[in-house]
Amino acid sequence: GAVVSQHPSWVICKSGTSVKIECRSLDFQATTMFWYRQFPKQSLMLMATSNEGSKATYEQGVEKDKFLINHASLTLSTLTVTSAHPEDSSFYICSAGTYRGQETQYFGPGTRLLVL
Amino acid sequence: GESVGLHLPTLSVQEGDNSIINCAYSNSASDYFIWYKQESGKGPQFIIDIRSNMDKRQGQRVTVLLNKTVKHLSLQIAATQPGDSAVYFCAENKNDYKLSFGAGTTVTVRA
Repeated sequence: GAVVSQHPSWVICKSGTSVKIECRSLDFQATTMFWYRQFPKQSLMLMATSNEGSKATYEQGVEKDKFLINHASLTLSTLTVTSAHPEDSSFYICSAGTYRGQETQYFGPGTRLLVL
Repeated sequence: GESVGLHLPTLSVQEGDNSIINCAYSNSASDYFIWYKQESGKGPQFIIDIRSNMDKRQGQRVTVLLNKTVKHLSLQIAATQPGDSAVYFCAENKNDYKLSFGAGTTVTVRA
């Protein structure tokens, strides 16, 4: 149980284009979904927290107009990287929160984005 | 600032030996801790968790120890196998549903 999927698993795009990444909780309803980015050999950095039907909460330093988050249902959240630039190239990982006596997060497999 | 960190960035262990991965945290208000395993190119995988009202919890081949006095968390892996090679992260939850991750320890299992 507690399976989270992401699509696509990798994407290459041209600078200036937008890329949408989907995150789905497959066998449970997620109270909250989280988006992280991870650079090579570094830890995970939380970008934003989203709850179904409400606006996402962004971490300090994360541009909300660049990283658009939509949480349409209890099993789906999307992250759109708008007007992507090479510095946006990274590994983007989502997680879905569920209550196990405490809010536990289960992670998706990640999406590798390369902006040329 | 308050954060979760790892004592050692790398750990090399002989196959079959036990592994111990350490983590120090600084926020005494943290009440829930999770260990994750991340293999190359994949998302973190939940291993085991522990609440602050416990000091030990066991899973399959893994044990997590929590010492609140010195704010120390450890993950013990018994009979380490090649498939255990990965980066291990500890994470703390401060009761606001957000996780704060440590820097990670890369475990390499020698055959």
